[in-house]
Formats: sequence, C-alpha cells, structure tokens
Amino acid sequence: ELKVEQNPLFLSMQEGKNYTIYCNYSTTSDRLYWYRQDPGKSLESLFVLLSNGAVKQEGRLMASLDTKARLSTLHITAAVHDLSATYFCAVPRAPGTASKLTFGTGTRLQVTL
Amino acid sequence: GAVVSQHPSRVICKSGTSVKIECRSLDFQATTMFWYRQFPKQSLMLMATSNEGSKATYEQGVEKDKFLINHASLTLSTLTVTSAHPEDSSFYICSARTDGRHTEAFFGQGTRLTVV
Repeated sequence: ELKVEQNPLFLSMQEGKNYTIYCNYSTTSDRLYWYRQDPGKSLESLFVLLSNGAVKQEGRLMASLDTKARLSTLHITAAVHDLSATYFCAVPRAPGTASKLTFGTGTRLQVTL
Repeated sequence: GAVVSQHPSRVICKSGTSVKIECRSLDFQATTMFWYRQFPKQSLMLMATSNEGSKATYEQGVEKDKFLINHASLTLSTLTVTSAHPEDSSFYICSARTDGRHTEAFFGQGTRLTVV
C-alpha cells in the first residue's frame, strides 16, 4: 500500500528565512505533484514533477524529485507572509498517470512577520 | 489549464436527507473523475473513481450505497450523499484528468457539506 509522508507537519517561520519541506513515499513512482491549499479552499497546483531529477521553480518555491530515494523536496526561499498555507504532495497509485492520488499528510506553513 | 467546476460550494442539510454534488469539466472531456473527502485539518482521501458509462469503483471502507456516483456524460459526474448524518460533514473535492494528457489532474473548488 502506498504511503506518503511529509515533514514537518507544521512549520512556523519568519519572513525572509529559508526552509525545506520533505515528502517521502513508499512505493515506486515516476511522478509527484505539489499542491497548495488555503483555508476553506480547494487545491491549487504548484508543481508537476515527471521524472527523476526534475527540478522546477516558481517564485520563492522550488521543488525537486528523486525517484530512486522516493523523496521530493519543496524549498522555500526568503519566505513571505503570502506563502502561509497548507502544502500537500501527492503520488499517483498507478505509474504513468495522474489517477488516484495518494496525498501526503500536509504541511501547514505559517510565515510570521 | 483545464477547468473543473463543482457545485454547490457549500450546503447545509438535515440529518436523514440526501445531497447531490456536481462536478463538471468545462473545457475538456473526462471519462474518469475522482472524488476525494477531506476532514478538518486532515489530508485528502480518495473515495471513489467515477467512470463515464459504467459503475464507479469505491475505495475500501467507502459505502457505495451511501455515496452514489453517476457519471452520465463526458463532462459531468455527480456524488449523492444519501441519508446524510453529522459524521458525513466534510469537504468533498472532485478532480478530473484530461483524457489525452494524463500528466495532471485538475480539481474542483470543493463542496463544504454540513449535516445538522
């Protein structure tokens, strides 16, 4: 059974600081997704990582995927308050598709002024 | 990106009644859609896979008679929560993937169901 774990579960950080969120998964997968969720809202797609070694950056967020280690990271550079949200990674149960996602536990990020 | 529209965004119903939630793919056809449930401060859990023209497949522990899924067209899937109880109160989110491009799933806005 596929298990997806994130750490930390909660992260409080000051504006301007850097930090990394980790996502580990238990079975082989060729892809991984990162989403952002604001309170009371649905998911916003952040990154689609489709191969080993994939690295994508958008603004202050950068995501990477190591399929051999079954590990993805979401790095936050010089955090700002607007990044406060819950971040989820997700892995598809079947390789090669975006079907039947198993979500990580989520990391609630709070950026303080 | 492709757009998935979910309706209603929030609903309050009395115990014992049924509630229908719609999920539409607005600018693409989706033979497969997915229904997830999220309890407060928890992650999303897949409930079922909705297949156009055939029966839905349910995850272990999800009662198919309680959560009725109908995928009658290539752009619409509905989830009906029958005989709702307070423990069914949750955030329900649908997603769809484009058939010709399986790299990404697109999510609806979610439906906040409160059963009183």
